[in-house]
Amino acid sequence: SQQGEEDPQALSIQEGENATMNCSYKTSINNLQWYRQNSGRGLVHLILIRSNEREKHSGRLRVTLDTSKKSSSLLITASRAADTASYFCATDAGDKIIFGKGTRLHILP
Amino acid sequence: DAGVIQSPRHEVTEMGQEVTLRCKPISGHDYLFWYRQTMMRGLELLIYFNNNVPIDDSGMPEDRFSAKMPNASFSTLKIQPSEPRDSAVYFCASSFGANYGYTFGSGTRLTVV
Repeated sequence: SQQGEEDPQALSIQEGENATMNCSYKTSINNLQWYRQNSGRGLVHLILIRSNEREKHSGRLRVTLDTSKKSSSLLITASRAADTASYFCATDAGDKIIFGKGTRLHILP
Repeated sequence: DAGVIQSPRHEVTEMGQEVTLRCKPISGHDYLFWYRQTMMRGLELLIYFNNNVPIDDSGMPEDRFSAKMPNASFSTLKIQPSEPRDSAVYFCASSFGANYGYTFGSGTRLTVV
């Protein structure tokens, strides 16, 4: 069963702009994770935010979590061509994590 | 560490044949997960192991699918007999658990004709 749902499904922006992706989920969580998948590759873990955290940074990435709204956002600042990929949120369900269907991000030159 | 290693990277087989996918997790990770990815269904968790023991196989689509983890450094996912609808990319991932990030392999692209 799918827990997280990303929005939008696809996003195209100019290089240098900021990209924001959102994730909504249904049940309470202990943590939420974001992953990146380049075409033809496996998923790469970007960041994990725990339920008692509201914001987390990693380089050009900023993740927020609002447990009252059951939502999270991933902001990529100063986008680059190499950021073109699919981005997935994943929420914990016991020992495992469940992935959403992802946001396809395309950075235009 | 070389990361999670999957083999083969690509597999093309005829309907009805047996297919075996292989995975070597990261040393020290005590969880191993098998996922299937398709355009229609996204990433589906098929089965996961903790300390080599299968914990949840509720995502395995049918009895044609089976998975084993004979030791901490090796797991297999077998499909017998294979069908065209099994065509997908199969990923193996390992982790210290749901409170930690997962490390994914590069996947096996399976095509059943």
